[in-house]
Amino acid sequence: DTAVSQTPKYLVTQMGNDKSIKCEQNLGHDTMYWYKQDSKKFLKIMFSYNNKELIINETVPNRFSPKSPDKAHLNLHINSLELGDSAVYFCASRRTSGRVVYEQYFGPGTRLTVT
Amino acid sequence: AQSVAQPEDQVNVAEGNPLTVKCTYSVSGNPYLFWYVQYPNRGLQFLLKYITGDNLVKGSYGFEAEFNKSQTSFHLKKPSALVSDSALYFCAVRDRSGANNLFFGTGTRLTVIP
Repeated sequence: DTAVSQTPKYLVTQMGNDKSIKCEQNLGHDTMYWYKQDSKKFLKIMFSYNNKELIINETVPNRFSPKSPDKAHLNLHINSLELGDSAVYFCASRRTSGRVVYEQYFGPGTRLTVT
Repeated sequence: AQSVAQPEDQVNVAEGNPLTVKCTYSVSGNPYLFWYVQYPNRGLQFLLKYITGDNLVKGSYGFEAEFNKSQTSFHLKKPSALVSDSALYFCAVRDRSGANNLFFGTGTRLTVIP
């Protein structure tokens, strides 16, 4: 059974377009994340959602907007795509429970190419 | 502010030899430290974590890591490398503030030579 899934796996689009990447987790976790991995493999947090509330928002352009219809889903919508948005985007989720520190589980990634 | 450094971009080791992938961290207070592995075209997989307690942490696939507070290090180790261990390894530290963010190092590519 897939724990954290993302669709699509590959996304090729032109500059200026608007696109969405979907993420779903079936682990019952209550915190979800979006990360961006650039061409040098550097991973950077973009957003996280806890119980449908945005709790962190790093220095990400406002063209990027996370949308969480429910606790199991955190979609990433990107407006007016730019060449520099080309990267691999990873969704992740984590259980939060009191003072226990749980690890994050990652999806397989979505490779976005903007031409 | 917290940060993680992985000083080696690339580590090569012969199959059967012990391997070490280095990680040092900078964080205020006691750290929460993690190691993840990324195989080609795959997402990150959790290997192990240090939260508190014993400095030697054992994880998946025979990996272990040693937390050294005085040296602010959390090196990943395995006694006998396998060719299938070849992958990209990331060290991460968790923000202990309310954000609970993960800050990743730049990654170390491990190549195990048959």
